[in-house]
Amino acid sequence: SAVISQKPSRDICQRGTSLTIQCQVDSQVTMMFWYRQQPGQSLTLIATANQGSEATYESGFVIDKFPISRPNLTFSTLTVSNMSPEDSSIYLCSVSRIAGYEQYFGPGTRLTVT
Amino acid sequence: GDSVTQMEGPVTLSEEACLTINCTYTATGYPSLFWYVQYPGEGLQLLLKATKADDKGSNKGFEATYRKETTSFHLEKGSVQVSDSAVYFCALNGNTGKLIFGQGTTLQVKP
Repeated sequence: SAVISQKPSRDICQRGTSLTIQCQVDSQVTMMFWYRQQPGQSLTLIATANQGSEATYESGFVIDKFPISRPNLTFSTLTVSNMSPEDSSIYLCSVSRIAGYEQYFGPGTRLTVT
Repeated sequence: GDSVTQMEGPVTLSEEACLTINCTYTATGYPSLFWYVQYPGEGLQLLLKATKADDKGSNKGFEATYRKETTSFHLEKGSVQVSDSAVYFCALNGNTGKLIFGQGTTLQVKP
């Protein structure tokens, strides 16, 4: 398994602003992912964070709205840009040591946009 | 594409009752299957997993068997506790390497 921390744990932001969420893992991992969980819903994959290269985004998510960095094998950030109330969600990072195997999740960041 | 379908909730049970949450999947090849649990206000925790047909995953009294012939991975527990109240997600990891989640099933256990 892996110990994953996220900062901030929650935030309330005004529309039009941006928030950067940090994800820190206690050991090096191959793969890191970012998910969104809208209220009462399941998880939707936003992107795969690739170390040293641009993230791979899923359909419906774009880099201008959700820029992602991954400078090393233990850390990644997700920015939610130009926020609107529709961005109010829980954002979770996850890690996997081997593609195709289990992922371990961070505690999530609860974002409310007013 | 790959998909996961779970029984709709919420499921409400009395303490010590038996639990079954149905999960079926569609996937090409031989995916790995998982159950995750999300307690109120928390992130997801891996509950159990199975990586090939007929494997049985188990943890904390929960079990699920990978049934390829019925493309199912139903979650079972013989005697639930109030502390089991949570949202349960069935998921698969297929040949894309990405986790595909079901819609989640809320379990409420009453004393």
